[in-house]
Amino acid sequence: DGGITQSPKYLFRKEGQNVTLSCEQNLNHDAMYWYRQDPGQGLRLIYYSQIVNDFQKGDIAEGYSVSREKKESFPLTVTSAQKNPTAFYLCASSIYGQPNQPQHFGDGTRLSIL
Amino acid sequence: AQSVTQLDSQVPVFEEAPVELRCNYSSSVSVYLFWYVQYPNQGLQLLLKYLSGSTLVESINGFEAEFNKSQTSFHLRKPSVHISDTAEYFCAVSEGGGTSYGKLTFGQGTILTVHP
Repeated sequence: DGGITQSPKYLFRKEGQNVTLSCEQNLNHDAMYWYRQDPGQGLRLIYYSQIVNDFQKGDIAEGYSVSREKKESFPLTVTSAQKNPTAFYLCASSIYGQPNQPQHFGDGTRLSIL
Repeated sequence: AQSVTQLDSQVPVFEEAPVELRCNYSSSVSVYLFWYVQYPNQGLQLLLKYLSGSTLVESINGFEAEFNKSQTSFHLRKPSVHISDTAEYFCAVSEGGGTSYGKLTFGQGTILTVHP
């Protein structure tokens, strides 16, 4: 079954620590996305990548970093510069350059501060 | 720039009653419209989409949405809800056009709670 796998499901961050959230897809999609979800605010785009070795900042990229070394993988690092990291993080993928195609989502990672 | 407004943050309703979740959007170009559903601690699942053609689109579990271009709306309806429909619903817009990469803009979400 094709899909998107996010891990871990729950993650805790200590003060000053960087943490990395994993996102893997086997849908053969070129485009991948990271969103942050806070109650009552919908989903906000952090970073997106349309092709391997290329990525772009979204609306709230400060305090986050990404890499795209493989088509299947798009990890997100929450750095110590992100002062309010507590949120639900969702990874998605879609067919490149097709705005009429839906994005497919993973089951999310919930990040909390210790 | 495109934007999406979901007019109700929470909608409580009794089982077997009808429900409407409202969504308005703004965009200067043609759009594609989506409704997603999210159950607690899960990702988003596509419920239905409007791409072109008939303005009324339906999902397999009884939801329907109507695209109204003049009112820039895409309201979601169900004639009779079940307890299992309790979830958060998101309206999303993607802009057409040659430079679009498929960015989705989401509304703030509407929490539908179905009471017995």
